[in-house]
Amino acid sequence: DVKVTQSSRYLVKRTGEKVFLECVQDMDHENMFWYRQDPGLGLRLIYFSYDVKMKEKGDIPEGYSVSREKKERFSLILESASTNQTSMYLCASSLPLGGGNTGELFFGEGSRLTVL
Amino acid sequence: DQQVKQNSPSLSVQEGRISILNCDYTNSMFDYFLWYKKYPAEGPTFLISISSIKDKNEDGRFTVFLNKSAKHLSLHIVPSQPGDSAVYFCAASRSSGDKLTFGTGTRLAVRP
Repeated sequence: DVKVTQSSRYLVKRTGEKVFLECVQDMDHENMFWYRQDPGLGLRLIYFSYDVKMKEKGDIPEGYSVSREKKERFSLILESASTNQTSMYLCASSLPLGGGNTGELFFGEGSRLTVL
Repeated sequence: DQQVKQNSPSLSVQEGRISILNCDYTNSMFDYFLWYKKYPAEGPTFLISISSIKDKNEDGRFTVFLNKSAKHLSLHIVPSQPGDSAVYFCAASRSSGDKLTFGTGTRLAVRP
């Protein structure tokens, strides 16, 4: 089974703090993604990566950055946390589309971040 | 700009009956469509998918229908069970290997 592990299930941080959310997958997937889930807004894509040291902005990248130094690890960074970044953060990985693969995403359990 | 829309935020169904969840999309470049199920405090899990070359895909109690001309897809669950109570997200991607775009979700409650 594919395993996507997020380092922290619950975090509480103060405004202005730097926050690191770590994600590791064990299936040698090329693609990795960070989404946030908010009530009434569904899942919105923050950043994604199709390869090591590669990153692309998603739909809501403002206030976030990412790092992918190794294939299995994709980190989300909040340089200066703000209250509107209180959310559930979901990491996912997938194989590329093509070759009969639909690019199904495998998600971690999520990290609930509260910024006070 | 919401490219994938789920206009019903919630749905309540009696156990044993059919649940129908709907999803509309606006981007004609989307080629793959997926449904995910999410329980509270857990990550979404893949349920079923369909390629744009098909109009129906079935897996046990779950069937997804795709109407390309209407840019509409639906998920049918028959018979519905209390364990199906969750939030359901539809998602779409282009065949080029692009990212998934998700809808806003529909909360399904199956009453015993």
